[in-house]
Amino acid sequence: AQTVTQSQPEMSVQEAETVTLSCTYDTSENNYYLFWYKQPPSRQMILVIRQEAYKQQNATENRFSVNFQKAAKSFSLKISDSQLGDTAMYFCAFMKDPNNTDKLIFGTGTRLQVFP
Amino acid sequence: NAGVTQTPKFQVLKTGQSMTLQCAQDMNHEYMSWYRQDPGMGLRLIHYSVGAGITDQGEVPNGYNVSRSTTEDFPLRLLSAAPSQTSVYFCASLEYGRMNTEAFFGQGTRLTVV
Repeated sequence: AQTVTQSQPEMSVQEAETVTLSCTYDTSENNYYLFWYKQPPSRQMILVIRQEAYKQQNATENRFSVNFQKAAKSFSLKISDSQLGDTAMYFCAFMKDPNNTDKLIFGTGTRLQVFP
Repeated sequence: NAGVTQTPKFQVLKTGQSMTLQCAQDMNHEYMSWYRQDPGMGLRLIHYSVGAGITDQGEVPNGYNVSRSTTEDFPLRLLSAAPSQTSVYFCASLEYGRMNTEAFFGQGTRLTVV
């Protein structure tokens, strides 16, 4: 069974600084998807970034980028130039390749606080 | 484009009562799922469905029933509510394909069982 581990329950960063959130996962699959979702106080779940395992290039979305290490089964999220609006819970998630549709599994989350 | 519509947003139940959480999506997604979110435990999968007429259990299925009679709707039923079911519940539907795999979530239901 697949598992997702987020070992940092809480993180804090000063505005404009950079922060990295950690995520590791366990799977025997070769093809799969990894995600980072953001949950602000509004409770809404928002996709931040997505990585396909067959792609070696790390995904980036504006100030958000990932460090995907397939052999180490690591998928960290880097937030550059942190903004107050980045304050939220961040969840790492895993899913098998869509051709083998299966459960979307989440980690326990990291609560990020951005300070002025 | 409504996306995933989940109702109600808040609900208080007495122990032993039953209720149904409604979830509907208008994106023609085959995959739908229900999660519960508890402090320190992330989102845990309750039940999921890969298409009309097909459902399967997730990590924490006990006390919950689901059915999928149409592609659009995936209701979650609590047959006899217990205080341990106090949680925030999310419905999600999944769009999957090489270029655009993404889960879309409802706004969540905060359920309190007293």
